Amino acid sequence: QVTLRESGPALVKPTQTLTLTCTFSGFLLSRSGMSVNWIRQPPGKALEWLARIDWDYDKFYSTSLKTRLTISKDTSKNQVVLTMTRMDPVDTATYYCARMGTTYFDYWGQGTLVTVSS
Amino acid sequence: NFMLTQPHSVSESPGKTVIISCTRSSGSIASNYVQWYQQRPGSAPTVVVYDTNQRPSGVPDRFSGSIDSSSNSASLTISGLKTEDEADYYCQSYDSSTSWVFGGGTKLTVL
Repeated sequence: QVTLRESGPALVKPTQTLTLTCTFSGFLLSRSGMSVNWIRQPPGKALEWLARIDWDYDKFYSTSLKTRLTISKDTSKNQVVLTMTRMDPVDTATYYCARMGTTYFDYWGQGTLVTVSS
Repeated sequence: NFMLTQPHSVSESPGKTVIISCTRSSGSIASNYVQWYQQRPGSAPTVVVYDTNQRPSGVPDRFSGSIDSSSNSASLTISGLKTEDEADYYCQSYDSSTSWVFGGGTKLTVL
């Protein structure tokens, strides 16, 4: 059974750095073709893909946010970490991690709401 | 870079058929697979169509996907509408420069 769970602070202040952790089970991120992605959704708005890390450590970032994002993985802990610098109130959103096994996001975490406010 | 444009909302009666469109702004809609995700309030999205016209196991055959190259768009068709189909629907595709892109979402109301 594949599961993913996001964890991190519910509230961050403007200009701070956000660190989110995705802890997963039921699959190996070391397996060829596997990847874990971060996707966010501001309240009442659309989904936005942020970043991806592949089984072979390849990394991909949203063009508009690449200067603020870093994705990494700890295969031994079954975790993927996303950091986002220079947080702003417009970054308030539910942040999801999602597995991509082939060509689509097939398993998602339940999401974690991050509010950016002073 | 490209964008995917969806209607903000659609509504239809139970038992009827609804079609949700997704238009690609640049590049061919046929150049990369299109996925469709259903999101109910308070829940994470789940895929209902992948690789443009494939259904995951467990998704009823009332859901189908297609593309129309002449309009550079993809469509999600839901037939025999049920009240449980009421949700937000997002299309998603990819290209090597923009990476993974979602449409703006369509709110489906089943009256």
